[in-house]
Amino acid sequence: DAKTTQPNSMESNEEEPVHLPCNHSTISGTDYIHWYRQLPSQGPEYVIHGLTSNVNNRMASLAIAEDRKSSTLILHRATLRDAAVYYCILRDVETSYDKVIFGPGTSLSVIP
Amino acid sequence: GAVVSQHPSRVICKSGTSVKIECRSLDFQATTMFWYRQFPKQSLMLMATSNEGSKATYEQGVEKDKFLINHASLTLSTLTVTSAHPEDSSFYICSALRTSGPYEQYFGPGTRLTVT
Repeated sequence: DAKTTQPNSMESNEEEPVHLPCNHSTISGTDYIHWYRQLPSQGPEYVIHGLTSNVNNRMASLAIAEDRKSSTLILHRATLRDAAVYYCILRDVETSYDKVIFGPGTSLSVIP
Repeated sequence: GAVVSQHPSRVICKSGTSVKIECRSLDFQATTMFWYRQFPKQSLMLMATSNEGSKATYEQGVEKDKFLINHASLTLSTLTVTSAHPEDSSFYICSALRTSGPYEQYFGPGTRLTVT
């Protein structure tokens, strides 16, 4: 799977929007961009994924750059429960789509 | 959403004993499950892929004789840490691959293993 780069940590104030960036300059045409998050002492949970177009779901929005070399996970209104490690992962649908290989992720702190 | 459970949630064992951790997909069948290990302040490390009815596939550097994986049914995979030592103390997480409906991996809540 292609490599992604994320900031080690970010802070946000409660009830404000959060933009979590991810760079993936070596992304291939068959790589889907997935985001997972891991709350403290829990297993990861799926957040959102996309290929080319921006995506929205009840948890977050995913904005994908036109060249697909970067993406941004958007939490519209951070809550204390959103404090977690967020992982941006590329998954190739044609080869190793089944595996999820985790990088270090971004540790998000939410300030009350 | 789909639910994956793990049992036990935490376990303490003595050095030299073996510990079995169960991973169950509660509302879907999973021919493929995955086992991860996570040390404090680190990311998850994939240990092995568990395939129903066949041998598990281990990642490089993971001892298959120490971490025994059995995937005997479409909803259950087990990881047995044999002859556990303090350095095996870690957070073990499983995931199950759902291939019907939303094609996605769902993760269990994790098992905290402490070897004394």
